[in-house]
Amino acid sequence: AQSVAQPEDQVNVAEGNPLTVKCTYSVSGNPYLFWYVQYPNRGLQFLLKYITGDNLVKGSYGFEAEFNKSQTSFHLKKPSALVSDSALYFCAVRDYGPDSNYQLIWGAGTKLIIKP
Amino acid sequence: NAGVTQTPKFQVLKTGQSMTLQCAQDMNHNSMYWYRQDPGMGLRLIYYSASEGTTDKGEVPNGYNVSRLNKREFSLRLESAAPSQTSVYFCASKVPGDSNQPQHFGDGTRLSIL
Repeated sequence: AQSVAQPEDQVNVAEGNPLTVKCTYSVSGNPYLFWYVQYPNRGLQFLLKYITGDNLVKGSYGFEAEFNKSQTSFHLKKPSALVSDSALYFCAVRDYGPDSNYQLIWGAGTKLIIKP
Repeated sequence: NAGVTQTPKFQVLKTGQSMTLQCAQDMNHNSMYWYRQDPGMGLRLIYYSASEGTTDKGEVPNGYNVSRLNKREFSLRLESAAPSQTSVYFCASKVPGDSNQPQHFGDGTRLSIL
């Protein structure tokens, strides 16, 4: 069965420092991976995805993610953190199903706190 | 551009009461989803609808029913609310035909069952 793990409940980073939010996955076949962000009292917003191709994927708000097949990881990164990046981040992997109606398997989420 | 709209935003119910959560999208999406979000557990799929007139169970369907009223609207009903259903409920929709497009989410309904 497909699964996603986010090993850190919370990550604390000082503003201006690089940040990494970790995600590992377990799938049969090629993974389709997603990162979403959730701000307080809001729905989830799509950040970026990996389907195929370049292992470094760039997304919204200056975020990027590195796909590593040998380590089955898809870590979210940003070179210089902003206080406004503080939010809840979710990693997800596409489950099997028809292309027109796939389902997502979600990690438990990582709370990112950026301190001024 | 409204996207996915959920109503109500907040609701408090007593055990045994019934309620319908409403969701509407204006993006002409075929697929719609209902999730619940609980602390430390990520999102869990309750029901989904691939197209108007079809619905399927997700990971945690017990205690819920859904209706895909038309292409725009997908409602979630709690027939007899239980404290275990206290959660934040999210509706999402997806572009038809392209499997790699992201799901779009509403802002959620925060439901408390006393």
